[in-house]
Amino acid sequence: AQSVTQLGSHVSVSEGALVLLRCNYSSSVPPYLFWYVQYPNQGLQLLLKYTSAATLVKGINGFEAEFKKSETSFHLTKPSAHMSDAAEYFCAVSESSWETSYDKVIFGPGTSLSVIP
Amino acid sequence: DSGVTQTPKHLITATGQRVTLRCSPRSGDLSVYWYQQSLDQGLQFLIQYYNGEERAKGNILERFSAQQFPDLHSELNLSSLELGDSALYFCASRGDGELFFGEGSRLTVL
Repeated sequence: AQSVTQLGSHVSVSEGALVLLRCNYSSSVPPYLFWYVQYPNQGLQLLLKYTSAATLVKGINGFEAEFKKSETSFHLTKPSAHMSDAAEYFCAVSESSWETSYDKVIFGPGTSLSVIP
Repeated sequence: DSGVTQTPKHLITATGQRVTLRCSPRSGDLSVYWYQQSLDQGLQFLIQYYNGEERAKGNILERFSAQQFPDLHSELNLSSLELGDSALYFCASRGDGELFFGEGSRLTVL
């Protein structure tokens, strides 16, 4: 069964500093991987996704993530943090069987990002 | 706007009661997912439907049930409610490989 761990439930960075949010996954098949962001009182919004194409994935708002199979990691980065990046970030893994339409998308516990002016 | 609609947005009820949460997926999406988000449990996968049929099951309690109708909307039924069921319930539909989330239904059990 697939699972996701996110190291650090809370991360604080200064405005303009590098953002690094860690995600490690476990999957018995080649995974699909996602990063979602949740702002207060809102639903989750996709930042980026990995679907076995390029290992370096670029997303919205300047975020990117690199898939490293050997490390089973999919860390999220942004070169320069903005105040508007303060939110909850979730990493997710999916194991899909298109033949049976079986699909379970499992989310990590989330990392709350604070940006200090 | 994700295109996924959930109703009601807020619901307050008492222990022992039953509620129904409704979800309309994005136009054209056949899959519907239900998640429960609480402070202590995070975002828990409950169940997935595809074109009217259950396809994957997560940590869904026996007191909870769901279905997807021919028009592809879905309902999550929560019965014999307990205080611990208070949470934000999200519905999502899947298209182009990603999940599109609704804004959630916040359930408060008193």
